[in-house]
Amino acid sequence: EDKVVQSPLSLVVHEGDTVTLNCSYEVTNFRSLLWYKQEKKAPTFLFMLTSSGIEKKSGRLSSILDKKELFSILNITATQTGDSAIYLCAVRTNTGNQFYFGTGTSLTVIP
Amino acid sequence: NAGVTQTPKFRVLKTGQSMTLLCAQDMNHEYMYWYRQDPGMGLRLIHYSVGEGTTAKGEVPDGYNVSRLKKQNFLLGLESAAPSQTSVYFCASRYMGHSYEQYFGPGTRLTVT
Repeated sequence: EDKVVQSPLSLVVHEGDTVTLNCSYEVTNFRSLLWYKQEKKAPTFLFMLTSSGIEKKSGRLSSILDKKELFSILNITATQTGDSAIYLCAVRTNTGNQFYFGTGTSLTVIP
Repeated sequence: NAGVTQTPKFRVLKTGQSMTLLCAQDMNHEYMYWYRQDPGMGLRLIHYSVGEGTTAKGEVPDGYNVSRLKKQNFLLGLESAAPSQTSVYFCASRYMGHSYEQYFGPGTRLTVT
């Protein structure tokens, strides 16, 4: 059974801290991994990773994939209160057009 | 562009009632998806569609039906609602190309009593 696990489930940090969110997966025929940010309502796309070791970066957020150890991390540096959200990772496989989502990490950034 | 819209935003049903959730997108996307999101469970795929007139089952299809008669619309039906279907439902769509980024609607909060 395909499985995507995120850790930690929740995290509370102070503004300015750096956080690392984890996403591990066990799927058949992995193709790509995507990160989303979910604030109050709809998830919004952050990154897509397909190759190991190549960092994707957008401002204070960065992400990297390790296809040998089957995980990805999402780093957020100098956190701000606006980073408070649920962060979801999703894995796409070769079979069909489905995406398997993890349970998400709830990040709270306090001033 | 409105992006992905969902109707209704909230709904309360009694056990055994039926209803249809409507998802509409104006981005000419080929693929559309219905997910449910429950606490501690993440997003789980109910059904999806790779084009007008085609649908397929996802991880948790039981108790739901879907139709995609027009490319821009994807309907999710509950024929006989059960309390276990209390959830937040998200619709998403994406292009057929290689970006794989899904665009999500704002969600529908459904409570079945």
